Amino acid sequence: QSALTQPRSVSGSPGQSVTISCTRSSSDVGGYNYVSWYQQHPGKAPKLMIYDVNRRPSGVPDRFSASKSGNTASLTISGLQAEDEADYYCCSYAGRYTDVGFGGGTKLTVL
Amino acid sequence: EVQLVQSGAEVKKPGESLKISCKGSGYTFSSCWVGWVRQMPGKGLEWMGIVNPGDSEARYSPSFQGQVTISVDKSLSTAYLQWNSLKASDTAIYYCARLLSGSWADTFDFWGQGTTVTVSS
Repeated sequence: QSALTQPRSVSGSPGQSVTISCTRSSSDVGGYNYVSWYQQHPGKAPKLMIYDVNRRPSGVPDRFSASKSGNTASLTISGLQAEDEADYYCCSYAGRYTDVGFGGGTKLTVL
Repeated sequence: EVQLVQSGAEVKKPGESLKISCKGSGYTFSSCWVGWVRQMPGKGLEWMGIVNPGDSEARYSPSFQGQVTISVDKSLSTAYLQWNSLKASDTAIYYCARLLSGSWADTFDFWGQGTTVTVSS
């Protein structure tokens, strides 16, 4: 099963940028090609923010961007706003249904 | 407008059975896989499995294989998550979500509101 590691928490001030990492434990880099990112506010359902590593669904601000290098995918939020404060989860499919799952989640605090 | 509407909260005793539902609307239900995601109290998201409404094929995470059954009734545009014998550790919020067309298994573009399941004696 997918083992994705995220920092438990990150923080930043309004207007700043923050980056959340998502590291896959397996050495099978070739299979780590499908990564999505979700935002979840307390008491709400998750919302898709990024898919296919770096694609944004319509309606997601371009302040949200993402990339991947080797075993680590990253979500960057620039121009932080108060409403960005939420939990963020990465999700990866690595070619087999026995190897798909979410990261542990990162709590973003906007100071 | 794409919507996934889930059945209401449930309170059950250990050992009881349960089937919760997720009704899709605003799109061709059979064209997109539907998945289930668990969130235990205060914890993160867990990918449980997905079902193809077109042919009812279901695929499970190893963590949930044999523990739950994911099914679908295409005629009702509804997906289901079922337990035969609930445990206290099944207490969680369960979300259904639509898999983005063309995606593999990680991209859920629309989500239900969640169903809270509480299992307690």
